[in-house]
Amino acid sequence: DARVTQTPRHKVTEMGQEVTMRCQPILGHNTVFWYRQTMMQGLELLAYFRNRAPLDDSGMPKDRFSAEMPDATLATLKIQPSEPRDSAVYFCASGHGTAKRETQYFGPGTRLLVL
Amino acid sequence: DQQVKQNSPSLSVQEGRISILNCDYTNSMFDYFLWYKKYPAEGPTFLISISSIKDKNEDGRFTVFLNKSAKHLSLHIVPSQPGDSAVYFCAASGDTGRRALTFGSGTRLQVQP
Repeated sequence: DARVTQTPRHKVTEMGQEVTMRCQPILGHNTVFWYRQTMMQGLELLAYFRNRAPLDDSGMPKDRFSAEMPDATLATLKIQPSEPRDSAVYFCASGHGTAKRETQYFGPGTRLLVL
Repeated sequence: DQQVKQNSPSLSVQEGRISILNCDYTNSMFDYFLWYKKYPAEGPTFLISISSIKDKNEDGRFTVFLNKSAKHLSLHIVPSQPGDSAVYFCAASGDTGRRALTFGSGTRLQVQP
């Protein structure tokens, strides 16, 4: 049963601390997406990668957020320093980048609370 | 500027009846549309999709209809079951190489037993 996994599932931290979220895409998928869900904005794209290369990170606050794929089985999203407004659920999704119209499969999310 | 809109935040139907969830979009470049279902504390789960070359796609109890001229799509669930109670998100992507999805704000469906 192939699934996207995310760790941690929950994170509570204090303002100013560094937060790192991890995602393991489905084996064989070569596109990875990071989305954020908030009450006000709904689900919004932060960044996405194809074959580990970043293709679009226009939705991400560049001064504090960074996204990387150290290898094909791991994607990370880092916030440094974190702020209370970063509190949200962060979802990772993966897909087959070779398909013209791909379906994305989501992980369970990391629920972040910044105090 | 919301490019994908779900104007009904919630919908309540009786078990066994039809549920119709609606979605409108403004970007004419969108050519692939998906519906996701989301339970609390879980990630969105893919339900059904349709490309712009079709006007209908069916999968069991779920049917998606696409009206390109009206930039409107809908998801029909027949018959509705209590287990269908969830938040349903409409999403769209464009044929420009940008594969990311643009999501609507979601509709919470409650199926009453």
